[in-house]
Parts: sequence; C-alpha cells; structure tokens
Amino acid sequence: GIQVEQSPPDLILQEGANSTLRCNFSDSVNNLQWFHQNPWGQLINLFYIPSGTKQNGRLSATTVATERYSLLYISSSQTTDSGVYFCAGLSNSGYALNFGKGTSLLVTP
Amino acid sequence: DAGITQSPRHKVTETGTPVTLRCHQTENHRYMYWYRQDPGHGLRLIHYSYGVKDTDKGEVSDGYSVSRSKTEDFLLTLESATSSQTSVYFCAISQGGGELFFGEGSRLTVL
Repeated sequence: GIQVEQSPPDLILQEGANSTLRCNFSDSVNNLQWFHQNPWGQLINLFYIPSGTKQNGRLSATTVATERYSLLYISSSQTTDSGVYFCAGLSNSGYALNFGKGTSLLVTP
Repeated sequence: DAGITQSPRHKVTETGTPVTLRCHQTENHRYMYWYRQDPGHGLRLIHYSYGVKDTDKGEVSDGYSVSRSKTEDFLLTLESATSSQTSVYFCAISQGGGELFFGEGSRLTVL
C-alpha cells in the first residue's frame, strides 16, 4: 500500500488560532479522507476529498492529487477541536485505506 | 451515523484464550474491514472482506482470522490471544472505494 506521512505530529494552539495540517502520499490516490478522533476514541469523518477543495464550517480541506498531498485547515480553533487528526488514502491498485500516524492537536483555553 | 455495531466494546482476557470480536452493519455495504490502533502506529489493517465468504489479509494479519457468513456480520477471531494483541480494534465499512465509516471500537486487553 501507499505510504502516508502527516505533519506536524503534535500541535498546541490557543483557542481562536488557525492551523494547517498536511498529508503527503507516496503514490496517486483515488480516495482520500480526513478523520478526527475525539478524546473518547471515536473516529469521525471530516472530509472525503480525493481532489479539489471542500469546506464544512470552520474546517476546510484541499487535495492536490497531481502533487500527492492534502491539507486540512482549522480556523478559529476551539477546545472541542482537540484530538488526533488522521488522513488516509487509497491508491488505484490498493484495497483498503492506508493511514498516517496522525497529528495530535491540543487547543487550550 | 453509519449503522455499525461492535461487540464487545471492552474485554479483558488471559494469554492463550480464544477471543472473537463481532462487527454488525445495517447499511448493506459490500466491504468490511478490521483495523487495530496502537500508540505510534496509527491504524493498521488486519483483514478485510469484499463480499460474503470473500476475505483477504491486511498488513498485520498474523494471529488473526476472520469470517463473513452474512453481508451484515464480520467476525475477527484471535485463536490464542497474546499480550501483543492488546489493542483497540475498529471495524469499518465502505461501498467499494467510497467513503469509509468506522464503528466505535473494541478495547481488548490480554493479560
């Protein structure tokens, strides 16, 4: 399967700050997703975004498939944004999503 | 929310005992997956299924077997549990290359 690298591994923000999380892929993908794992361990779907840009409230994501990376933007962060953010990709020859190791985000009051 | 139920949600067992985790879906999705999550490793695929009685191995399949006798159920079995299999196990479903949805996870502790 493809290799997925996420950066930064850890991030601490003050409430109200903006941030950008990055995901690089070793090969082209036809499926790319971003997930948020909350402090209770639930994996929540954020975006299904194999290409292009999507927005959902304070969160948005952009995937540049030709350059093999995706970005997740969090604006005006809130304490409830804390948790681990995972990206995962599926290549044309793959059979299941491969996950990065995640970005652990802590938003402080 | 995707209709995915994992059971049990928590289990403590002893080394050498068999353990079966169950994943039940109400979405009629073709593909089902078992992942494990460990600190520093993210989520790693154990086994997956692309239809009834059609299963294949993932990257960390040693020590695990699976079965899918019905579209809605995907079972993960540890024939003889070891301490290295202490982990959080997630079931996931998709409709073939599409969006993946996760269950709430099953925490397994092997003493």
